[in-house]
Amino acid sequence: ELKVEQNPLFLSMQEGKNYTIYCNYSTTSDRLYWYRQDPGKSLESLFVLLSNGAVKQEGRLMASLDTKARLSTLHITAAVHDLSATYFCAVATLTTYGQNFVFGPGTRLSVLP
Amino acid sequence: SQTIHQWPATLVQPVGSPLSLECTVEGTSNPNLYWYRQAAGRGLQLLFYSVGIGQISSEVPQNLSASRPQDRQFILSSKKLLLSDSGFYLCAWSVGGQPQHFGDGTRLSIL
Repeated sequence: ELKVEQNPLFLSMQEGKNYTIYCNYSTTSDRLYWYRQDPGKSLESLFVLLSNGAVKQEGRLMASLDTKARLSTLHITAAVHDLSATYFCAVATLTTYGQNFVFGPGTRLSVLP
Repeated sequence: SQTIHQWPATLVQPVGSPLSLECTVEGTSNPNLYWYRQAAGRGLQLLFYSVGIGQISSEVPQNLSASRPQDRQFILSSKKLLLSDSGFYLCAWSVGGQPQHFGDGTRLSIL
C-alpha cells in the first residue's frame, strides 16, 4: 500500500525567510504533484514532476523530485504572506482501474509579517 | 477549455436523510473522476474513483455510494447520512499523467 508522508505538518515562518517542505512516499512512482489549498477553498495544482531529477519553479516556490530516494521537496524562498496556505503532495499509482492519486496529510504554512 | 462544476456549494442535512452530490466536467472526454472527503483541518480521503461509465472503485467501506451515469457526470449518494459524514467533499478529474483538477467543493454539515 502506497503511503505518502509530509513534514513538517505545521510551519510558521517569518516573511523573507527560506524553508523546505518534504514529501516522502513508500513505493516506486515517477509522477508526483504539488497542490495548494487556501482556507475554505478547493485545491489548485502547482507542479507536476514526472521524472527523476525534475525541478520546477514558479515565483518563490521550487519543487524537485528524487525518485531513487522517493522524496520530493518544495522549497520556499523569501516567503511572503500570500504564500500562507496548506500544501499537499500527491503520488500517482497505477491500479487495475487506472491511475489513482495518494495524497500526503498536508503542510499548513503560516507566513508571519 | 475544460471546466468542472460541483454542486451544491453548501448543504445542511439532518442525520438519516439521503444525499446526492453532483459533479460534471466539460471540455474533455473519458476523464478519470474522483470523489474525496476532507474533514476540517485534515488531508484528503479518497472515497471513489472511476475510469469510465459504470466503472467505480470504492476505496473506503461506508454508507456512501457513487455512480457515473454519463461520461462526464459523477454522483455521490447516501441513503441515510451519519454525523460522521460531515466534511468538505471534492470532485476531481484527470486525463493521462496530468494533475487532477478539482471542483469548488461542497461543504456538508450533518445535524
